[in-house]
Formats: sequence, structure tokens, C-alpha cells
Amino acid sequence: GENVEQHPSTLSVQEGDSAVIKCTYSDSASNYFPWYKQELGKGPQLIIDIRSNVGEKKDQRIAVTLNKTAKHFSLHITETQPEDSAVYFCAASQLGAQKLVFGQGTRLTINP
Amino acid sequence: GAVVSQHPSRVICKSGTSVKIECRSLDFQATTMFWYRQFPKQSLMLMATSNEGSKATYEQGVEKDKFLINHASLTLSTLTVTSAHPEDSSFYICSALGLSVADTQYFGPGTRLTVL
Repeated sequence: GENVEQHPSTLSVQEGDSAVIKCTYSDSASNYFPWYKQELGKGPQLIIDIRSNVGEKKDQRIAVTLNKTAKHFSLHITETQPEDSAVYFCAASQLGAQKLVFGQGTRLTINP
Repeated sequence: GAVVSQHPSRVICKSGTSVKIECRSLDFQATTMFWYRQFPKQSLMLMATSNEGSKATYEQGVEKDKFLINHASLTLSTLTVTSAHPEDSSFYICSALGLSVADTQYFGPGTRLTVL
């Protein structure tokens, strides 16, 4: 089955700097890769997703890149702000197969 | 759009009692709903997948007689933790998937269960 590895487990950056979180997946059949942000005591919130027919997707300060050959994808947050502090999860699945496999999570802390 | 609610947000119960958690898709029809549990500082662990009108599919190691799932309508799924014990204390989160939201899972806000 699919296995998703996420790094780093914790990340601390200065406000205004960029943050990058990386994930690798094992199943080459996976073709859908969402990223979720989870604040303390709340459910995960979808922030961006990418399908395997594109290599990059951007939404304001957030971007995701996908390298299908290497089987890895990354989340990039630019101009970080204190409200970006949260736990971020990557996931992988096959469109139509429904089941998501999550990475272990990254606790991002933005230092003012 | 694509809002999922859960009720209750918190519940405290005595050991041996049963607890029901509701998950609702508010603005779309959910053909499939998922139930996860999450321990502190850990990732989400899928417990089961439920499709409207059919029996849930449980992940390996999840006791189906202990965690009863019902998906009676396209907007409501329930998880009942039967004969709860302290080790069942956890954060339970549902998600919903519908044709109108194009393969994207939207998550509810979670339910914190504490079993005394």
C-alpha cells in the first residue's frame, strides 16, 4: 500500500521568511496530493491540492510542487505570518479510490 | 462551500457507556464519509469508510462491533463508541467526500472524547 513520509517534523522560521515542507510517497499510482492545516483542537483544513497532471500550483502565499519521477511533493509558504503557525499534513491518494494516506505532520512555528 | 459539522464538539462519559458522534455535510451531498481518530501530536488514523446506504468498511485492527458506523443519508453519518473505556479517549474527526467537491475530502471540526 501507499506510504507517505513527511519532513521535517518541526519547523521554526522568522516571520516574513519562507517555509518549505517536503513529502515523499511510495505508490506511483497516486495522483492526488492535498495539504491540510490543523490548528490546535480543530479539524484539518484543506489549504491547497495538486493533481499529477501538473507540476506546480499556487494560491497567493502558498504553492505546491510535484515531482512525479522522484515521487515527492512540497509545500511552500512565503512571507510567513504568525497565523501560519499550525500543524501541516500532506496526503496522497488515487483519484476515485477515495482513501487518503497522511504524512506524519509538521509543526510549523512562526517567530515574530 | 463544502462545510462539514460534527456534534458534539466535546463529550465526557463514564466507562462502560456508549457515545454517539454525528457528522453532517451542510452544503453538499456526501456519497462517502470517513472516520478518523487522532492521538495527541500524532497523525490522523483512518478507522473506517462509509458509503451511504451500505455497511462501513473498517481498517485493519479497528473493532467494528465497538465502533458502530451508520450512514443513513447523503448528509449524515454517525459513529457510536460502544462500552467506552479510557483507552478510547481520543480526538475523533470525520470527513466527507461528494461528487460535487471533486474527490476532495473536507473535514469536520472534530470531537474530543474523554472516558473517565
